[in-house]
Amino acid sequence: GAGVSQSPSNKVTEKGKDVELRCDPISGHTALYWYRQSLGQGLEFLIYFQGNSAPDKSGLPSDRFSAERTGGSVSTLTIQRTQQEDSAVYLCASRPQGGDRPYGYTFGSGTRLTVV
Amino acid sequence: EDKVVQSPLSLVVHEGDTVTLNCSYEVTNFRSLLWYKQEKKAPTFLFMLTSSGIEKKSGRLSSILDKKELFSILNITATQTGDSAIYLCVINSNSGYALNFGKGTSLLVTP
Repeated sequence: GAGVSQSPSNKVTEKGKDVELRCDPISGHTALYWYRQSLGQGLEFLIYFQGNSAPDKSGLPSDRFSAERTGGSVSTLTIQRTQQEDSAVYLCASRPQGGDRPYGYTFGSGTRLTVV
Repeated sequence: EDKVVQSPLSLVVHEGDTVTLNCSYEVTNFRSLLWYKQEKKAPTFLFMLTSSGIEKKSGRLSSILDKKELFSILNITATQTGDSAIYLCVINSNSGYALNFGKGTSLLVTP
């Protein structure tokens, strides 16, 4: 597609359930990032994928969070045993390899996760 | 630890007013500073600044970077209700892959 696609756009889940969030980056973009934005907070880095390199998982807040990227394209962020503090907007961004140019980073519209 | 501080956190102005949004930072190996406008959920790119003292301009918006004093400002003149959004200041540094985001300034322009 023309942009970064995320699904679902909204997700309400019960505390303790597992959720999967999907990101479909722009075709050909080798770098993919996951961020989350909690109410009143700045965007928080979660994880970064670059091509076939090992992902940078330094931002994942706990071992309940994991992410994978299959075939260098689609990525799935999984949150196990969700807690209310996981409620946030989860944003995905992609960019071409080596791209730090203004048009390099493209963000998806995010998934609004609400844990009740 | 890299730090990005934006001020004010929120601002309410009337249409036609001029606003100045501030971003100060402390980072190692600074590479660039980016401003984004966030409406609803997805940030859209406004400016990328790498050099001090060079003003970037796009319509009613302009921005400048001071690498000595470690801050940037984003100016919006003749504000319109469509300018209502959260404005994010983001630092890209060579010390890591990730972008460092400020908490944003929430701007509301009233008719």
